[in-house]
Amino acid sequence: GAVVSQHPSWVICKSGTSVKIECRSLDFQATTMFWYRQFPKQSLMLMATSNEGSKATYEQGVEKDKFLINHASLTLSTLTVTSAHPEDSSFYICSARDPTGENTEAFFGQGTRLTVV
Amino acid sequence: GEDVEQSLFLSVREGDSSVINCTYTDSSSTYLYWYKQEPGAGLQLLTYIFSNMDMKQDQRLTVLLNKKDKHLSLRIADTQTGDSAIYFCALSDSWGKLQFGAGTQVVVTP
Repeated sequence: GAVVSQHPSWVICKSGTSVKIECRSLDFQATTMFWYRQFPKQSLMLMATSNEGSKATYEQGVEKDKFLINHASLTLSTLTVTSAHPEDSSFYICSARDPTGENTEAFFGQGTRLTVV
Repeated sequence: GEDVEQSLFLSVREGDSSVINCTYTDSSSTYLYWYKQEPGAGLQLLTYIFSNMDMKQDQRLTVLLNKKDKHLSLRIADTQTGDSAIYFCALSDSWGKLQFGAGTQVVVTP
């Protein structure tokens, strides 16, 4: 079945630095990918919708200048957490839908655990 | 209240059936999903149901959808210790954007 790969699976960075997370669709082309954030013991909250070749659509309350999303190709979307702070520590997960698939199953990456120290 | 609601915790004995419930407010969703998340891991799709269906069975899993009451449930038959995890219900629009419930932590006891 369709696979979405996310990298890295975990990262520790210093406060004030930037971190890039990659999300790749391995065997299908995804014009749309989604980025979610999950706080400990909480649900996943949609951060933004990443659109290939155009600007991302951010959910209310998500800072677009802080969470930069680039969807430069049909198989890759990146999320860059800029000037990271400890409150940005979280579990970030991407998903993508195979538009040619038989159903609208959304495939998820493995997730990236970000810890800002 | 939240758009997708789940009870937060369920304890079940090994071998018994588990029933996880989910209620929602948006009736325009195309697909409704159940995902499983084990500690420190990503999400694993367990099963899904199309919005025009009432029931779907897949091995030990049974999904029931009551559109009138906007209620979705997941029944796990013969629950095993490996079923201990957090279970999320999620609703999808036609683009694949998902709205999640808060998750139900299922603990299976011997």
